[in-house]
Amino acid sequence: KAGVTQTPRYLIKTRGQQVTLSCSPISGHRSVSWYQQTPGQGLQFLFEYFSETQRNKGNFPGRFSGRQFSNSRSEMNVSTLELGDSALYLCASSLAGEMYEKLFFGSGTQLSVL
Amino acid sequence: QKEVEQDPGPLSVPEGAIVSLNCTYSNSAFQYFMWYRQYSRKGPELLMYTYSSGNKEDGRFTAQVDKSSKYISLFIRDSQPSDSATYLCAMRDNYGQNFVFGPGTRLSVLP
Repeated sequence: KAGVTQTPRYLIKTRGQQVTLSCSPISGHRSVSWYQQTPGQGLQFLFEYFSETQRNKGNFPGRFSGRQFSNSRSEMNVSTLELGDSALYLCASSLAGEMYEKLFFGSGTQLSVL
Repeated sequence: QKEVEQDPGPLSVPEGAIVSLNCTYSNSAFQYFMWYRQYSRKGPELLMYTYSSGNKEDGRFTAQVDKSSKYISLFIRDSQPSDSATYLCAMRDNYGQNFVFGPGTRLSVLP
Protein backbone atom coordinates (compact mmCIF):
# COMPACT_ATOMS: atom_id res chain seq x y z
CA LYS A 1 0.00 0.00 0.00
CA ALA A 2 1.52 3.33 -1.05
CA GLY A 3 2.17 5.85 1.70
CA VAL A 4 1.43 9.55 1.79
CA THR A 5 2.98 11.21 -1.24
CA GLN A 6 4.02 14.84 -1.28
CA THR A 7 5.28 16.82 -4.22
CA PRO A 8 7.56 18.50 -4.84
CA ARG A 9 10.25 17.43 -2.36
CA TYR A 10 12.13 20.71 -2.58
CA LEU A 11 11.16 24.22 -3.59
CA ILE A 12 13.07 27.46 -3.72
CA LYS A 13 11.06 30.67 -3.98
CA THR A 14 11.65 34.35 -3.43
CA ARG A 15 9.80 36.69 -1.11
CA GLY A 16 6.44 37.81 -2.42
CA GLN A 17 5.89 34.78 -4.62
CA GLN A 18 3.24 32.18 -4.01
CA VAL A 19 3.58 28.42 -3.84
CA THR A 20 1.32 25.36 -4.09
CA LEU A 21 2.19 22.07 -2.45
CA SER A 22 0.46 18.79 -3.20
CA CYS A 23 -0.41 15.78 -1.08
CA SER A 24 -1.88 12.40 -1.99
CA PRO A 25 -3.09 10.51 1.09
CA ILE A 26 -2.96 6.78 1.65
CA SER A 27 -5.63 5.07 -0.41
CA GLY A 28 -8.90 5.03 1.53
CA HIS A 29 -7.89 7.84 3.87
CA ARG A 30 -10.24 10.79 3.76
CA SER A 31 -8.69 13.11 6.33
CA VAL A 32 -5.66 15.16 5.36
CA SER A 33 -3.80 17.47 7.73
CA TRP A 34 -0.97 19.88 7.05
CA TYR A 35 1.84 20.81 9.42
CA GLN A 36 4.72 23.24 9.32
CA GLN A 37 7.99 22.10 10.89
CA THR A 38 10.80 24.51 11.75
CA PRO A 39 13.81 24.06 14.06
CA GLY A 40 12.57 26.80 16.37
CA GLN A 41 8.84 26.03 16.57
CA GLY A 42 8.72 22.30 15.92
CA LEU A 43 5.64 20.80 14.30
CA GLN A 44 2.73 23.20 14.12
CA PHE A 45 -0.74 22.37 12.85
CA LEU A 46 -1.97 24.32 9.84
CA PHE A 47 -5.34 22.79 8.94
CA GLU A 48 -7.26 19.59 8.41
CA TYR A 49 -9.56 18.64 5.57
CA PHE A 50 -12.19 15.94 5.45
CA SER A 51 -14.57 15.30 2.57
CA GLU A 52 -13.43 18.47 0.80
CA THR A 53 -14.24 20.64 3.84
CA GLN A 54 -11.84 22.36 6.19
CA ARG A 55 -12.70 20.89 9.56
CA ASN A 56 -10.03 22.36 11.76
CA LYS A 57 -7.59 25.25 11.48
CA GLY A 58 -4.43 26.21 13.33
CA ASN A 59 -3.18 29.66 14.20
CA PHE A 60 -1.64 30.74 10.91
CA PRO A 61 -2.33 33.87 8.84
CA GLY A 62 -4.76 33.84 5.94
CA ARG A 63 -1.85 33.64 3.48
CA PHE A 64 -1.91 29.93 4.22
CA SER A 65 -4.82 28.15 2.59
CA GLY A 66 -5.69 24.71 1.41
CA ARG A 67 -8.25 22.62 -0.32
CA GLN A 68 -9.19 19.01 -0.77
CA PHE A 69 -10.50 17.35 -3.88
CA SER A 70 -13.12 14.65 -4.23
CA ASN A 71 -10.41 11.97 -4.49
CA SER A 72 -9.06 13.17 -1.08
CA ARG A 73 -5.92 14.65 -2.59
CA SER A 74 -5.07 17.98 -1.04
CA GLU A 75 -3.18 21.10 -1.93
CA MET A 76 -1.76 23.80 0.27
CA ASN A 77 -1.11 27.32 -0.96
CA VAL A 78 1.00 30.04 0.57
CA SER A 79 0.69 33.49 -0.96
CA THR A 80 3.03 36.46 -0.59
CA LEU A 81 5.86 34.35 0.77
CA GLU A 82 7.97 35.65 3.64
CA LEU A 83 11.43 34.57 4.73
CA GLY A 84 9.91 33.05 7.85
CA ASP A 85 7.84 30.66 5.74
CA SER A 86 10.98 28.62 5.07
CA ALA A 87 10.16 25.25 6.60
CA LEU A 88 9.42 21.60 6.03
CA TYR A 89 5.72 21.28 5.17
CA LEU A 90 4.30 17.93 6.12
CA CYS A 91 1.07 16.33 5.06
CA ALA A 92 -0.52 13.59 7.14
CA SER A 93 -3.48 11.37 6.45
CA SER A 94 -5.83 9.22 8.49
CA LEU A 95 -8.98 7.27 7.75
CA ALA A 96 -11.52 9.80 8.94
CA GLY A 97 -9.66 12.02 11.38
CA GLU A 98 -11.38 10.42 14.36
CA MET A 99 -10.11 10.30 17.88
CA TYR A 100 -8.03 7.12 18.06
CA GLU A 101 -6.90 6.83 14.47
CA LYS A 102 -3.29 6.61 13.47
CA LEU A 103 -1.78 9.56 11.66
CA PHE A 104 0.65 8.86 8.81
CA PHE A 105 3.03 11.44 7.39
CA GLY A 106 4.57 12.01 4.01
CA SER A 107 8.23 12.90 3.53
CA GLY A 108 7.41 16.59 3.29
CA THR A 109 8.18 19.49 1.01
CA GLN A 110 11.22 21.52 2.01
CA LEU A 111 10.46 25.14 1.13
CA SER A 112 13.22 27.73 1.08
CA VAL A 113 12.26 31.38 0.70
CA LEU A 114 15.08 33.67 -0.39
CA GLN B 1 4.72 27.26 29.17
CA LYS B 2 4.16 25.08 26.11
CA GLU B 3 1.38 22.50 26.15
CA VAL B 4 3.85 19.67 25.55
CA GLU B 5 7.42 19.72 26.79
CA GLN B 6 10.10 17.27 25.81
CA ASP B 7 13.71 16.79 26.88
CA PRO B 8 15.51 18.64 24.09
CA GLY B 9 18.63 16.51 23.96
CA PRO B 10 20.68 15.87 22.07
CA LEU B 11 21.13 12.54 23.73
CA SER B 12 24.11 10.29 22.94
CA VAL B 13 24.25 6.69 24.12
CA PRO B 14 26.43 3.66 23.30
CA GLU B 15 24.99 0.85 21.22
CA GLY B 16 23.04 -1.60 23.36
CA ALA B 17 22.01 0.97 25.97
CA ILE B 18 18.46 1.46 27.23
CA VAL B 19 17.14 4.84 26.17
CA SER B 20 14.43 6.77 27.97
CA LEU B 21 12.65 9.59 26.14
CA ASN B 22 10.15 11.69 28.02
CA CYS B 23 7.34 14.20 27.51
CA THR B 24 5.27 16.15 29.99
CA TYR B 25 2.02 17.92 29.20
CA SER B 26 -0.25 20.39 30.87
CA ASN B 27 -3.65 19.65 29.31
CA SER B 28 -5.48 16.96 31.27
CA ALA B 29 -7.86 16.51 28.31
CA PHE B 30 -5.12 14.75 26.33
CA GLN B 31 -6.16 11.13 26.01
CA TYR B 32 -4.37 9.73 23.00
CA PHE B 33 -0.61 9.52 22.82
CA MET B 34 1.78 8.68 20.03
CA TRP B 35 5.50 8.46 19.47
CA TYR B 36 7.09 9.24 16.13
CA ARG B 37 10.62 8.75 14.86
CA GLN B 38 11.96 11.21 12.31
CA TYR B 39 15.12 10.72 10.34
CA SER B 40 16.87 13.71 8.84
CA ARG B 41 15.03 15.13 5.81
CA LYS B 42 12.18 12.63 6.20
CA GLY B 43 8.65 12.78 7.54
CA PRO B 44 7.80 11.43 11.01
CA GLU B 45 7.20 7.68 11.17
CA LEU B 46 4.68 6.31 13.65
CA LEU B 47 6.30 4.06 16.27
CA MET B 48 3.80 3.58 19.08
CA TYR B 49 0.34 4.71 20.07
CA THR B 50 -1.65 4.27 23.24
CA TYR B 51 -4.65 5.74 25.00
CA SER B 52 -4.51 4.22 28.44
CA SER B 53 -2.26 4.63 31.42
CA GLY B 54 0.31 1.90 31.83
CA ASN B 55 2.79 0.23 29.54
CA LYS B 56 2.52 -0.93 25.95
CA GLU B 57 5.31 -2.99 24.44
CA ASP B 58 6.24 -3.57 20.80
CA GLY B 59 9.54 -5.30 20.19
CA ARG B 60 12.35 -3.18 21.59
CA PHE B 61 10.00 -0.27 22.25
CA THR B 62 7.85 0.35 25.32
CA ALA B 63 5.48 3.30 25.64
CA GLN B 64 4.49 4.32 29.14
CA VAL B 65 1.71 6.72 30.08
CA ASP B 66 1.02 8.19 33.50
CA LYS B 67 -2.05 10.40 33.15
CA SER B 68 -2.10 11.35 36.81
CA SER B 69 1.36 12.89 36.47
CA LYS B 70 0.79 14.03 32.86
CA TYR B 71 3.93 12.24 31.81
CA ILE B 72 4.70 9.86 28.97
CA SER B 73 7.84 7.94 28.14
CA LEU B 74 9.29 5.86 25.35
CA PHE B 75 11.89 3.26 26.25
CA ILE B 76 14.18 1.72 23.66
CA ARG B 77 15.97 -1.46 24.66
CA ASP B 78 19.17 -2.70 23.04
CA SER B 79 19.52 0.56 21.12
CA GLN B 80 21.05 0.39 17.64
CA PRO B 81 22.82 3.00 15.50
CA SER B 82 19.79 2.84 13.21
CA ASP B 83 17.73 4.28 16.11
CA SER B 84 19.63 7.55 15.72
CA ALA B 85 16.88 10.03 14.87
CA THR B 86 14.65 12.69 16.38
CA TYR B 87 11.81 11.34 18.50
CA LEU B 88 8.57 13.27 18.73
CA CYS B 89 5.74 12.73 21.15
CA ALA B 90 2.24 13.71 20.04
CA MET B 91 -1.06 13.84 21.84
CA ARG B 92 -4.69 14.54 21.17
CA ASP B 93 -7.47 15.63 23.47
CA ASN B 94 -10.79 13.89 23.94
CA TYR B 95 -12.55 16.41 21.73
CA GLY B 96 -10.69 14.89 18.79
CA GLN B 97 -8.98 18.10 17.79
CA ASN B 98 -5.62 18.22 16.06
CA PHE B 99 -2.54 16.55 17.46
CA VAL B 100 -0.10 18.60 19.51
CA PHE B 101 3.54 17.67 19.13
CA GLY B 102 6.48 17.98 21.45
CA PRO B 103 9.58 19.75 20.11
CA GLY B 104 11.48 16.48 19.71
CA THR B 105 14.55 14.83 21.23
CA ARG B 106 17.52 14.09 19.00
CA LEU B 107 19.08 10.72 19.81
CA SER B 108 22.46 9.43 18.65
CA VAL B 109 23.38 5.79 19.24
CA LEU B 110 27.10 5.35 18.89
CA PRO B 111 28.55 2.06 17.58
